[in-house]
Amino acid sequence: QVQLRESGPGLVEPSETLSLTCTVSGGSISTYYWSWIRQSPGKGLEWIGYIYNNGRENTKYNPSLESRVTISVDASKNQFYLKVRSVSAADTAVYFCGRDYPHSYGDYVGYWGQGTLVSVSS
Amino acid sequence: EIVMTQSPATLSVSPGERGTLSCRASQSVRSNLAWYQQKPGQPPRLLIFGASNRATGIPARFSGSGSGTEFTLTISSLQSEDFAVYFCQQYNNWPQTFGQGTRVEIK
Repeated sequence: QVQLRESGPGLVEPSETLSLTCTVSGGSISTYYWSWIRQSPGKGLEWIGYIYNNGRENTKYNPSLESRVTISVDASKNQFYLKVRSVSAADTAVYFCGRDYPHSYGDYVGYWGQGTLVSVSS
Repeated sequence: EIVMTQSPATLSVSPGERGTLSCRASQSVRSNLAWYQQKPGQPPRLLIFGASNRATGIPARFSGSGSGTEFTLTISSLQSEDFAVYFCQQYNNWPQTFGQGTRVEIK
């Protein structure tokens, strides 16, 4: 059974870069679609983007965040990553990493990490 | 982007009763709709995809219906573990978008 776990700083200062890691166990990261989704009281659930690693990294980002977001993967470590640049208080949220449900091609998430709260504050 | 609107915001139901949750899309999403359940402190759990297909391990008391812009999640006989928040999510257009959720509480 695939398991995911988010890690990273719980507090980021405004205008800095938010960096999170998702560690995957119980399965290879070299297939499937790997997503980042966040949840805040104000905006609810928001899909940040995903990466699909089939030997060549393919990414897709929410247009509302695309200019500030990068998702990458390190298959040798079975990890994928999220970077959000120039953060503000609006980026305060619980951040989830996830893997798509089998044969869903990234459309919906079948496996989720427990989530990690990231607060943006000085 | 497509806006998903769920109703009601809160549904009060007695255990053993039927619960009916609605989700409306701002434009047609065909049958490209999923439902999730979320309990406090936990991530969402996929219940339904393709508007009406139960995900692996989901009890038969959960059923989904609808297409186009109007969708329904029905819980035929609410169990204690079903009291939670439910979200719909469309995946017809990028970015995938979620509804704001319906809280199902004990009456």
